[in-house]
Amino acid sequence: QSALTQPASVSGSPGQSITISCTGTSSDVGGYNYVSWYQQHPGKAPKLMIYDVTKRPSGVSNRFSGSKSGNTASLTISGVQAEDEADYYCCSYAGSSSWVFGGGTQLTVL
Amino acid sequence: QVQLVQSGAEVKKPGASVKVSCKASEYSFTSYDINWVRQATGQGLEWMGWMNSNSGNTGYAQKFQGRVTMTRNTSISTAYMEVSSLRSEDTAVYYCARAYCTSTSCLFMDVWGNGTTVIVSS
Repeated sequence: QSALTQPASVSGSPGQSITISCTGTSSDVGGYNYVSWYQQHPGKAPKLMIYDVTKRPSGVSNRFSGSKSGNTASLTISGVQAEDEADYYCCSYAGSSSWVFGGGTQLTVL
Repeated sequence: QVQLVQSGAEVKKPGASVKVSCKASEYSFTSYDINWVRQATGQGLEWMGWMNSNSGNTGYAQKFQGRVTMTRNTSISTAYMEVSSLRSEDTAVYYCARAYCTSTSCLFMDVWGNGTTVIVSS
């Protein structure tokens, strides 16, 4: 499968809201409600932030939220903070027990 | 606490094989699938495949079929991934991560291993 499409970078000032998009097809993002989002700081393992499109694991700040419309999923960070500066990856179920990641988005907090 | 601990870094020559281990602790190993993901330096995440830790059933990304084998030893709560016919492009950090999926929900990769660096170089 082809990787999902994410913007290479986004930026925002502290306190602003930012949204990262993740575009796939009807065979992955659009076909299933199994989209997850991961945060990765340099040199660290990824951390699950959102699963099942909109659900937050326990311990994840409610500043992070997920949504989906058609073939595009989105991650929104409300009130972005310096500690949110990291790479973010979306991931979707693609059928036949397979999964596909997005290319990743680097978030810069100005 | 719940964790996945992976084996140490490996340096291999092209054409060789590498086997990475992933030991689970503080949870029921057979209740969760194990997925494997790799990341080349400066690159994004790439899903490689999954294994049902209870049955041993596996599924591999098309790109890795025939070259990757995922197994487990339930008696020691450990999953393994072997990559054969290594080439320089396989140089990456390899991660294991657990997942719990039902017919209506998938808590996908909520706990990750610490990563294993594999370097393929002649």
